[in-house]
Amino acid sequence: GAGVSQSPSNKVTEKGKDVELRCDPISGHTALYWYRQRLGQGLEFLIYFQGNSAPDKSGLPSDRFSAERTGESVSTLTIQRTQQEDSAVYLCASSLADRGRKDGYTFGSGTRLTVV
Amino acid sequence: LAKTTQPISMDSYEGQEVNITCSHNNIATNDYITWYQQFPSQGPRFIIQGYKTKVTNEVASLFIPADRKSSTLSLPRVSLSDTAVYYCLVGDLYDKIIFGKGTRLHILP
Repeated sequence: GAGVSQSPSNKVTEKGKDVELRCDPISGHTALYWYRQRLGQGLEFLIYFQGNSAPDKSGLPSDRFSAERTGESVSTLTIQRTQQEDSAVYLCASSLADRGRKDGYTFGSGTRLTVV
Repeated sequence: LAKTTQPISMDSYEGQEVNITCSHNNIATNDYITWYQQFPSQGPRFIIQGYKTKVTNEVASLFIPADRKSSTLSLPRVSLSDTAVYYCLVGDLYDKIIFGKGTRLHILP
């Protein structure tokens, strides 16, 4: 597609439920990144995919968070047993090069997750 | 990763030139300086990148002194639509991006 697409754009869930967030990267972009942005804060790195492997998962905050990617396509970020502190905007970015240059990231508009 | 320091917030008026300075005293030889812009309810977008001296594109200019320990993003003749958060990033070109808190720029009419 023309840009990075994320769905849903908004998600309200009850504490303790599981949620899945989806990212459709730009076609042909091999690298994919997930970030989390809490209200009024900067972006926190969560995980990086190169193809369907994840060489850097260092930012996942707990074992309730997991992510997978199908080939060089869609990625899903799953949060199990959601907690109120998980409320944030979850942003996905993709880039063309095998090792994404800093000037080459294209971000989606994010999924706003609210845990009540 | 080089630590960066930039103002938390800035106000300016339409039509003015805005300069946002970022300090990065421990910048390494391989590090580049990259700026991203984030509008409300959107993901960040790349605006400019440089290694030394001056870089200019259709959006902004980036001034980097010889010692590279700081850099200044210059936005000419800002408008209300330039209200956004601006992130200064310093690091190897191919490392993943680590974002700080950025500078909240508020343009007033």
